[in-house]
Amino acid sequence: AQTVTQSQPEMSVQEAETVTLSCTYDTSESDYYLFWYKQPPSRQMILVIRQEAYKQQNATENRFSVNFQKAAKSFSLKISDSQLGDAAMYFCAYRTYTGTASKLTFGTGTRLQVTL
Amino acid sequence: DAMVIQNPRYQVTQFGKPVTLSCSQTLNHNVMYWYQQKSSQAPKLLFHYYDKDFNNEADTPDNFQSRRPNTSFCFLDIRSPGLGDAAMYLCATSRNFRQGETQYFGPGTRLLVL
Repeated sequence: AQTVTQSQPEMSVQEAETVTLSCTYDTSESDYYLFWYKQPPSRQMILVIRQEAYKQQNATENRFSVNFQKAAKSFSLKISDSQLGDAAMYFCAYRTYTGTASKLTFGTGTRLQVTL
Repeated sequence: DAMVIQNPRYQVTQFGKPVTLSCSQTLNHNVMYWYQQKSSQAPKLLFHYYDKDFNNEADTPDNFQSRRPNTSFCFLDIRSPGLGDAAMYLCATSRNFRQGETQYFGPGTRLLVL
């Protein structure tokens, strides 16, 4: 079974600075997707960024980028120029697909605080 | 705006009293999911529907059931809630099972069991 580990329960970053959230996973599959989701307080979870395992190039979405190290099974999220609106719980997730079913396995999350 | 809607946002029920949580979507997605998220824990998939095909996770308690009467609506029924079922319940949708498909989440229903 796949497992996703986020070893940083909480992180703090100053506005305009850069922060990196860590994620590691365990799998025996070769084809999979990885995601970072953001869950602001009392608001719904939204997709931040996704990475396909077969793509060597790291995904980037504006201020958000990932460092995907397939051999190390590591998938970290870098947030540049942090903004107050980035404060949220961030979940790393692994997606499997069996042809008839699909499933996201989430890590336990990292709570990001953004300070002035 | 197209979205995933969950009602109510907060639900209080008594120990052992059946409760139903609802989810609706205007995205016309084929797949609907229910997750349970306990405090400070990761969301955990309970089950999902692909159209009318129901897929139950192996470790989902029998106490939890679901109905999907049409594309837009999906319900989570908890037959006899226990104190351990207090959690946030998240509904999500996706167009299909393609690996890169985004799951769109609703705001969740927080269930309190007294």
